Amino acid sequence: EDKVVQSPLSLVVHEGDTVTLNCSYEVTNFRSLLWYKQEKKAPTFLFMLTSSGIEKKSGRLSSILDKKELSSILNITATQTGDSAIYLCAVLKDMRFGAGTRLTVKP
Amino acid sequence: NAGVTQTPKFRVLKTGQSMTLLCAQDMNHEYMYWYRQDPGMGLRLIHYSVGEGTTAKGEVPDGYNVSRLKKQNFLLGLESAAPSQTSVYFCASSYGVASRGTDTQYFGPGTRLTVL
Repeated sequence: EDKVVQSPLSLVVHEGDTVTLNCSYEVTNFRSLLWYKQEKKAPTFLFMLTSSGIEKKSGRLSSILDKKELSSILNITATQTGDSAIYLCAVLKDMRFGAGTRLTVKP
Repeated sequence: NAGVTQTPKFRVLKTGQSMTLLCAQDMNHEYMYWYRQDPGMGLRLIHYSVGEGTTAKGEVPDGYNVSRLKKQNFLLGLESAAPSQTSVYFCASSYGVASRGTDTQYFGPGTRLTVL
């Protein structure tokens, strides 16, 4: 059965820390992996990763896919309280989501 | 441009009642999706539509029906609500088939449904 597993499930850090969120998958006919940030309401798109080893970057956030290890990481450097959210990864074949990582950044 | 909107925002039902959730998008997207989100479960795909007049089952379709009579609207129906359907429901849309890795989804604000 296809599955997407995120770790850790929750994480508490202080402003300025760097965090790494993990997403591993077992999906037949993998095509792409997406990262979303969900604050109070709807998820908002962060990255789409299709090729292994190519880092995508947006400000303090970056992500990379490892198809050999069937996983992806999302890095956030110099965290701010505004980064507090649930981070979701989803694997494209049929948009299967992981359970999410709840990140809390304390001042 | 309102993006993706959902109505209602909140609803409380009694077991056995029926209701319809409405999703509307003004981006001329071909694809639309309905998800439910439960604590610790992430988002699970209920049904989706690849175009006007077409629908398909997702990961958890049982107990739900959908219709896409107009391109901009995607309706999710619960014929006989059960407590297990208490959840937050999200609608999403995309230009093309997200599963081809060419596009991303835009989400609505969600509907919180409680079934007593």
